[in-house]
Amino acid sequence: AQSVTQLDSHVSVSEGTPVLLRCNYSSSYSPSLFWYVQHPNKGLQLLLKYTSAATLVKGINGFEAEFKKSETSFHLTKPSAHMSDAAEYFCVVRPLNAGNMLTFGGGTRLMVKP
Amino acid sequence: EAGVAQSPRYKIIEKRQSVAFWCNPISGHATLYWYQQILGQGPKLLIQFQNNGVVDDSQLPKDRFSAERLKGVDSTLKIQPAKLEDSAVYLCASSLELSTYEQYFGPGTRLTVT
Repeated sequence: AQSVTQLDSHVSVSEGTPVLLRCNYSSSYSPSLFWYVQHPNKGLQLLLKYTSAATLVKGINGFEAEFKKSETSFHLTKPSAHMSDAAEYFCVVRPLNAGNMLTFGGGTRLMVKP
Repeated sequence: EAGVAQSPRYKIIEKRQSVAFWCNPISGHATLYWYQQILGQGPKLLIQFQNNGVVDDSQLPKDRFSAERLKGVDSTLKIQPAKLEDSAVYLCASSLELSTYEQYFGPGTRLTVT
């Protein structure tokens, strides 16, 4: 079975400092991986996706993630946090040959302090 | 481009009552998904439609949940009878085709069962 584990349920950073949200996956084959963001009272929005091309993936709003097969990780980073980054972030796996069925991690709530 | 529309946004019912949620996907999107997001967890896929056909409903509790997409456009998800553990946000998403990566999410319907 495919699964994804987000290692931190809450992360707190100060504005202007780096962000690191950790994600590990398990999959029998090379999956596609995604990060989604959910702002309060808004729909989930795709931040970035990895689909077996470049291992370093750049997304919207300055976020990026690196696919590391040896570590089965897909951590999300941003060099400098902004207040507007405060939200819930979900790491998502889509196994090979799974159609478009997504499996979500439990989420990480990012808090940004002024 | 209009996004995925869902109604109602909020619903409070007593256990054993029935409830229905409505979703209108982005125009032209063939694939429609219903997810259940329990507080503090990531969304879980309940059912996936391709046009008016069900692609996967393996995680839908069929003894109480039903969903339809009769004309291949909008969709209705019903719970009858509701249980306390059905309290959650019900998210609808759509994508252009079954194999298209990005799913666009609606704002969700928050259901509270008392």
